[in-house]
Amino acid sequence: KAGVTQTPRYLIKTRGQQVTLSCSPISGHRSVSWYQQTPGQGLQFLFEYFSETQRNKGNFPGRFSGRQFSNSRSEMNVSTLELGDSALYLCASSLDGLYEQYFGPGTRLTVT
Amino acid sequence: QQQVKQSPQSLIVQKGGISIINCAYENTAFDYFPWYQQFPGKGPALLIAIRPDVSEKKEGRFTISFNKSAKQFSLHIMDSQPGDSATYFCAASTEKLVFGKGTKLTVNP
Repeated sequence: KAGVTQTPRYLIKTRGQQVTLSCSPISGHRSVSWYQQTPGQGLQFLFEYFSETQRNKGNFPGRFSGRQFSNSRSEMNVSTLELGDSALYLCASSLDGLYEQYFGPGTRLTVT
Repeated sequence: QQQVKQSPQSLIVQKGGISIINCAYENTAFDYFPWYQQFPGKGPALLIAIRPDVSEKKEGRFTISFNKSAKQFSLHIMDSQPGDSATYFCAASTEKLVFGKGTKLTVNP
């Protein structure tokens, strides 16, 4: 079974721009969660989508948004990028919720 | 209340030794406690997980010990190997996963 895939793997953007990251979950998994990983704050939960609906949300500003498509693939968008948004963005999929989450390799975003 | 406190931040163990990483939580609503292993440049990989109705779970060289009354749980890696050198994260979940800050484990040959 193929694992969670994320594209692109690396991204460099300028302050003020916006970015869209993509995540394809493991086949059959309906839940996709997004996390931000930084050296200072560690792994922080952004949001979770299940069957195209946002089910849970972390404490991030509205500049961070996401969506999920009918095939369970998910995208995350960050608008008006700030330097502090530089991080590894990880997506994780699970069958039906937050248990047994399987992570992708992440997208390394650098904001200059 | 949503925090998971993990210690130590870093750990150096000799090959063949036992590595022990500890986590503590406050929120008694947490009902799932996984451990993840992360190598540089990779996403975290689910290692082992436990529910609060079980006090211990063992999978190969990895064991979770869970103390519900103390609100603590720990990961034991028996016969530690250089290939175990990675960052380990504990986590706890209700509606979302809350992660500890991680422990960088180095196993010397």
